[in-house]
Amino acid sequence: NAGVTQTPKFQVLKTGQSMTLQCAQDMNHNSMYWYRQDPGMGLRLIYYSASEGTTDKGEVPNGYNVSRLNKREFSLRLESAAPSQTSVYFCASSEGGAGSYEQYFGPGTRLTVT
Amino acid sequence: KNQVEQSPQSLIILEGKNCTLQCNYTVSPFSNLRWYKQDTGRGPVSLTIMTFSENTKSNGRYTATLDADTKQSSLHITASQLSDSASYICVVTNMEYGNKLVFGAGTILRVKS
Repeated sequence: NAGVTQTPKFQVLKTGQSMTLQCAQDMNHNSMYWYRQDPGMGLRLIYYSASEGTTDKGEVPNGYNVSRLNKREFSLRLESAAPSQTSVYFCASSEGGAGSYEQYFGPGTRLTVT
Repeated sequence: KNQVEQSPQSLIILEGKNCTLQCNYTVSPFSNLRWYKQDTGRGPVSLTIMTFSENTKSNGRYTATLDADTKQSSLHITASQLSDSASYICVVTNMEYGNKLVFGAGTILRVKS
């Protein structure tokens, strides 16, 4: 039982390049989330998917897109990376809405945009 | 504005000592308050979750308290161990905005031998 897995662990991009961060969970959870964590700040929600087939914007969605591929997988895409997107990205999942259910986090992807 | 403020920003203690981390919030109305532990290079892991009607909750050597009247919470760590070195994050659920989670910036704890 791996929980929440993320790939890659580290990535360096040049400004303007694109990439997709992958996330998968094996707990049969309905809801999945993407957060970013910056030094001195709390985690901020980028996008979430309350259930398979639905996605919604969070607090900081600009510059990102997401796909809920199936119940297990939720990917985050940067179409044209910018230095301001240098951050650590965490995927999380929960059985139901995060407000009422435990959230389980992946190990993170550390992204640097030069 | 709905905010979560944690203090101190960082803390160094000797192994075996106790410590208390603080969390003050302005989130209202709130449904629950959580404490997470985040080891370096890892994702956050839940320690405790308390509803607005609970005053205290324990998880081994970790005890969280909540005063909903003063909007304050604390996390007390007893008999600290080297493995307690981590960032501790306070999270408050805002009922008003679809149960949105509001995260504090965390307190970095270092336990020295």
